[in-house]
Amino acid sequence: GAVVSQHPSRVICKSGTSVKIECRSLDFQATTMFWYRQFPKQSLMLMATSNEGSKATYEQGVEKDKFLINHASLTLSTLTVTSAHPEDSSFYICSAREGTGGSSPLHFGNGTRLTVT
Amino acid sequence: GQNIDQPTEMTATEGAIVQINCTYQTSGFNGLFWYQQHAGEAPTFLSYNVLDGLEEKGRFSSFLSRSKGYSYLLLKELQMKDSASYLCAVSDSNYQLIWGAGTKLIIKP
Repeated sequence: GAVVSQHPSRVICKSGTSVKIECRSLDFQATTMFWYRQFPKQSLMLMATSNEGSKATYEQGVEKDKFLINHASLTLSTLTVTSAHPEDSSFYICSAREGTGGSSPLHFGNGTRLTVT
Repeated sequence: GQNIDQPTEMTATEGAIVQINCTYQTSGFNGLFWYQQHAGEAPTFLSYNVLDGLEEKGRFSSFLSRSKGYSYLLLKELQMKDSASYLCAVSDSNYQLIWGAGTKLIIKP
């Protein structure tokens, strides 16, 4: 089946530094990838939709200058958390659809647990 | 507005059957997904329903009634490893996924 690889799985950084998270579709091409954030005991929150070759679409309340998204190829999207602060500590998960239709399920990466100290 | 409702938490016994309900109100409907999420892990896909009726996949089955805006996930022969959160998500008219808050299922021996 479709596999989405996300790296790193866990990162601890100091306040003020930037962290890059990679999301790769291993055996399929994904023109669109999705970035989610999940706080403890809460549901998934869509942050942005990453489009290959164009600008990402951000959800309301998500700062595009803080969460930089680059989707340079059909198999790779990156999320960079810039000038991270402790409140950015969360579980970040990327996902991609294998097919182009709305019936295609989202396949998720294993997530990145970010801790900002 | 768009809304997905599912119980916050359920408890069941190992070997038993449990039904997790999901009701939705969305702008358009292009299918309903169920995902399983173990603590600290990313969600994994379980099932997809777009037509009314029951879809069976091993120990798990999912049912949909579009007229009632209702779905359920049925888990049979419960195992301890089934302890997880179960997320209901609806694809709306723009094929955007609207997520429920998830149902935490606790399995007791």
